[in-house]
Amino acid sequence: GESVGLHLPTLSVQEGDNSIINCAYSNSASDYFIWYKQESGKGPQFIIDIRSNMDKRQGQRVTVLLNKTVKHLSLQIAATQPGDSAVYFCAEISYTGNQFYFGTGTSLTVIP
Amino acid sequence: DVKVTQSSRYLVKRTGEKVFLECVQDMDHENMFWYRQDPGLGLRLIYFSYDVKMKEKGDIPEGYSVSREKKERFSLILESASTNQTSMYLCASSLDWSYEQYFGPGTRLTVT
Repeated sequence: GESVGLHLPTLSVQEGDNSIINCAYSNSASDYFIWYKQESGKGPQFIIDIRSNMDKRQGQRVTVLLNKTVKHLSLQIAATQPGDSAVYFCAEISYTGNQFYFGTGTSLTVIP
Repeated sequence: DVKVTQSSRYLVKRTGEKVFLECVQDMDHENMFWYRQDPGLGLRLIYFSYDVKMKEKGDIPEGYSVSREKKERFSLILESASTNQTSMYLCASSLDWSYEQYFGPGTRLTVT
C-alpha cells in the first residue's frame, strides 16, 4: 500500500541547535498527521499533531509544518537537547477509507 | 495518563512453540492494535480490534492470530513460532481509530 517516506534516515545535530525532520506523504486526502518519538527500548510516544486544515502548529519546543501543496510534513525541534535523541516518525490518517500509515522513521542524534 | 502494558519486555522461544503476547490498557479504549517493528521497515500492522471479540487483519496477519475477550486486553498469538517472527512487537490503543495511538513499551521476541 501507500507509505509515508522520510527524506533522511539519520540526522546528527549539535546540542542547542535546531533540528528539522522531514516527512513526505503520498495520500493527498490524508486528514490528520501525527509525529511520534521513540526512544531506545521504548514504545513510540505522541509528540504533536496537525489537522489538514492547518499549516502550522506549535508545542513546547516543537513545531509541525504542513505543506499540502507538495505533500510535505516537517517537525522542528528548537534548542535540541540530548534527551531529544530518538527515532522520530510521522503518521498520516485518512478518514476516507479509515486508513492510517506510519513512516519508517528518522534517527536523531544530539551531539553534546 | 493512558497506560499500555505488555506482559514481557524480552522473550526467547523455540521454533514451533506457541507464543502468547499480552497487552493491557487502562483507559477504556475501544481500539487496540498489534504491530511488529523491524529495522528499515517501520511499524507494520498485524491485527487490530475495534471492540470486544471483534478483529480485523492488518497488513501482515499471516502466522498470527489475536484474541480480545475483554475490552482492556488484546492478545497476539503465534501459533507456531518461526525464526522470521523474531522482531519487536508493539501494542497500542486509541479512543478511536482516527485518534493518536498510545503504545506499550514493546516485547522483543527472539525465536531460535
